[in-house]
Amino acid sequence: GQQVMQIPQYQHVQEGEDFTTYCNSSTTLSNIQWYKQRPGGHPVFLIQLVKSGEVKKQKRLTFQFGEAKKNSSLHITATQTTDVGTYFCAGMFSGGYNKLIFGAGTRLAVHP
Amino acid sequence: NAGVTQTPKFQVLKTGQSMTLQCAQDMNHNSMYWYRQDPGMGLRLIYYSASEGTTDKGEVPNGYNVSRLNKREFSLRLESAAPSQTSVYFCASSELGRAQETQYFGPGTRLLVL
Repeated sequence: GQQVMQIPQYQHVQEGEDFTTYCNSSTTLSNIQWYKQRPGGHPVFLIQLVKSGEVKKQKRLTFQFGEAKKNSSLHITATQTTDVGTYFCAGMFSGGYNKLIFGAGTRLAVHP
Repeated sequence: NAGVTQTPKFQVLKTGQSMTLQCAQDMNHNSMYWYRQDPGMGLRLIYYSASEGTTDKGEVPNGYNVSRLNKREFSLRLESAAPSQTSVYFCASSELGRAQETQYFGPGTRLLVL
C-alpha cells in the first residue's frame, strides 16, 4: 500500500543546534504537507509543497520537496525550546480521493 | 469560531462496551475525517466524508462506523470496544476535500479500553 516513511523517530538536540527530519515515499506524491504537534496537543498545519524541487522557508524552518516528488525534508536552524514537539509529513498520492498518508513523525526534544 | 470540537476529551471503556465520539466544525467545511494516533505510527485515517451524505473507508476502518449527521457533524462509533482500539482519536475537516487543502484538527479524544 501507499506509505510515507519518516526518519528519525526521535531527535534530541541542544538549544541552538540544527535539526532535520526526512520523509520518503516509494511512489510519486502529488503534494506533501507538514504538521507540528505540541506535546498533548493536536496536529497544526505548517506548510504545503506542490512543485518538484520546491523550497519554502518560514523564519528558521526550511522545507524542501525532491525533484522526483518522492521525498521531502524539514530543516530547523538554531533550534529553540519552542520548537519542541512532533513533526509529521503527510503525503497525498495521485489518483483516488485526496487522502493524506501521514509519516510516523519525528519527536524533537530541545535541551536548554 | 471554535474550529473543530470533539467530545469527550477522555473516556475509559470496558471491552465490549460501545460509545460514540462526537465531532463538529463551524467553518462550513464540506469534508471531514477521523484519524487514530498510536505511538510510533503517526495518524491513520479511519473514515472520511467527502461531503454531507457520503462516507468512505480509510486505512483502518474495521471495528468502527461513522455517521455524517449534517454538514457540521461527523460521529465515530465503536460498537464493541476492544483493547486494540485504545488510542487518541482526532477529527479533522477541510474546505472542499481537494488536494492541496489544509486539514484542521480537533483537540482529540483519548480513549482507553480495558
